[in-house]
Amino acid sequence: DTGVSQDPRHKITKRGQNVTFRCDPISEHNRLYWYRQTLGQGPEFLTYFQNEAQLEKSRLLSDRFSAERPKGSFSTLEIQRTEQGDSAMYLCASGNSGSRQETQYFGPGTRLLVL
Amino acid sequence: QQQVKQSPQSLIVQKGGISIINCAYENTAFDYFPWYQQFPGKGPALLIAIRPDVSEKKEGRFTISFNKSAKQFSLHIMDSQPGDSATYFCAASFRSNDYKLSFGAGTTVTVRA
Repeated sequence: DTGVSQDPRHKITKRGQNVTFRCDPISEHNRLYWYRQTLGQGPEFLTYFQNEAQLEKSRLLSDRFSAERPKGSFSTLEIQRTEQGDSAMYLCASGNSGSRQETQYFGPGTRLLVL
Repeated sequence: QQQVKQSPQSLIVQKGGISIINCAYENTAFDYFPWYQQFPGKGPALLIAIRPDVSEKKEGRFTISFNKSAKQFSLHIMDSQPGDSATYFCAASFRSNDYKLSFGAGTTVTVRA
């Protein structure tokens, strides 16, 4: 399967715990985006990488959130001291800065439930 | 502040009927308008997309109509099938913003057999 993959698919945690999600983009894609989707809403942009550089972070991304893409390939999104309001689907998408740069392909998402 | 407004929130259509979903935007910088289809528990899948230099794009049973002056675009699903039952999201992005997507709130389509 050469699509975007995310791990884990589901995560249940207790309030105050730290969680980390992983995204593996399509191999030739140099852009990687993170979005968050709450129930009944469309995805909202969180942050974006081109290669290993994090180019933008949304106001939605509080100080408890950090994302990395150390070698310009896979990315991780960490949430520290989780809160119940963090419960959502976290989506990763990848794209290319070259041809068809407007197109993003989404992974299956990681559904987080904070108890 | 939602940059793309989508309606209706949900719709029910009979098999073989036409589903129509509408979206409106304010930011005239947007230059790419994709539609995504999402099934429960899955990530959004790109369905069809349009740029503002054309007024209509058709791919199979799916058609986007685009009205640049009204800043509106719509998705038409012809000959709707039960397998089309899903949530549909319109979105918009632009090049100088590195194509970060702004999504509508979604429309849940139910196709009755």
